[in-house]
Amino acid sequence: DAMVIQNPRYQVTQFGKPVTLSCSQTLNHNVMYWYQQKSSQAPKLLFHYYDKDFNNEADTPDNFQSRRPNTSFCFLDIRSPGLGDAAMYLCATSRAKGRETQYFGPGTRLLVL
Amino acid sequence: AQSVTQPDIHITVSEGASLELRCNYSYGATPYLFWYVQSPGQGLQLLLKYFSGDTLVQGIKGFEAEFKRSQSSFNLRKPSVHWSDAAEYFCAVVGKISSGSARQLTFGSGTQLTVLP
Repeated sequence: DAMVIQNPRYQVTQFGKPVTLSCSQTLNHNVMYWYQQKSSQAPKLLFHYYDKDFNNEADTPDNFQSRRPNTSFCFLDIRSPGLGDAAMYLCATSRAKGRETQYFGPGTRLLVL
Repeated sequence: AQSVTQPDIHITVSEGASLELRCNYSYGATPYLFWYVQSPGQGLQLLLKYFSGDTLVQGIKGFEAEFKRSQSSFNLRKPSVHWSDAAEYFCAVVGKISSGSARQLTFGSGTQLTVLP
């Protein structure tokens, strides 16, 4: 089945130690998104790629970076994780720009010690 | 800017009872509306969506939602709740571009559903 895959499902890192989260998709969608979701809150968009075009939300901290080496993969890099970055990170895809349905992966739960 | 309000933070129903989760949106043009469900520790699963046409839309797992433009609402309903429906439910709207070339999906704050046996 076509799907959005996130690895790992759980990630533990230390305060200040860089960490990378991975997302892959078999839907061949052009747009990939990264969301941060803290406990009991709605997902918050960090950034998205439309093909290779990177778009950062205005309030996304500089500590968060992203890479999309090809259509199928997208990575979220947290350069110096703080305790406040502990959250669920959700990857989503959509077929195109515009009013398209977004399909979500299962998420990666990040714990910062 | 678009916004979504889910007035009920937590709802408890008995198994077999009917369910209605409320969602109100604010958007200047015709909205594209979605309901997603999130089980604990999981990602978001699309239940249903409204783009245009028939204002009563059917989704997966026996859910339906009705778009009412006059009330700016998109309430989710299910006639008979199952224990497996216990989860968090998010209403969302696609609105204007906030940055770049893709439209932003704006979520409500979610409604946590508890199902009693």
